[in-house]
Amino acid sequence: GQNIDQPTEMTATEGAIVQINCTYQTSGFNGLFWYQQHAGEAPTFLSYNVLDGLEEKGRFSSFLSRSKGYSYLLLKELQMKDSASYLCAVRENDYKLSFGAGTTVTVRA
Amino acid sequence: IAGITQAPTSQILAAGRRMTLRCTQDMRHNAMYWYRQDLGLGLRLIHYSNTAGTTGKGEVPDGYSVSRANTDDFPLTLASAVPSQTSVYFCASSGLAGSDTQYFGPGTRLTVL
Repeated sequence: GQNIDQPTEMTATEGAIVQINCTYQTSGFNGLFWYQQHAGEAPTFLSYNVLDGLEEKGRFSSFLSRSKGYSYLLLKELQMKDSASYLCAVRENDYKLSFGAGTTVTVRA
Repeated sequence: IAGITQAPTSQILAAGRRMTLRCTQDMRHNAMYWYRQDLGLGLRLIHYSNTAGTTGKGEVPDGYSVSRANTDDFPLTLASAVPSQTSVYFCASSGLAGSDTQYFGPGTRLTVL
């Protein structure tokens, strides 16, 4: 089984930084993904972590600690277009993805 | 075609009717997946296929069936729709089963009355 937790909602100001946490308890671990999903659209891939540490990709960074069952997605220099849901997903030993319920981020001017 | 397409975009269906949601990808990906997304529950896997000719059950398979006759197509069938199957359905694919990022289609919004 799997248990993946992330906050339901977060609000931040344009230009600020927001950190979205994800904790997981799964029967196995073979990588963690972050997806972005705008309202009414499909999820799109943001980042992938399989080893501990920080992966940076432009304004977005993702961190993983396997021993703590913890990841975060860091969004820097927030823009209005970053208002979306952010989905944390864990790939378990059977190679299927299990998703958290998602965090809705609202960016205010 | 570029990527993954799904049809229809949306559908209203009477309970008890049969419905097939279509999914086609042109990336020659081996693995394909069907998810449903409900408010507050996130994406849940219905069925998957690691390669053409094989299928498997996900977390919520009851009431749904799939087939994978070729690499490109992965239709999802609701044999007798019920209101609890009202949801947004996403098809996804990945290059290799479990080792690649999953890419999602635009989704089908299904309402069962």
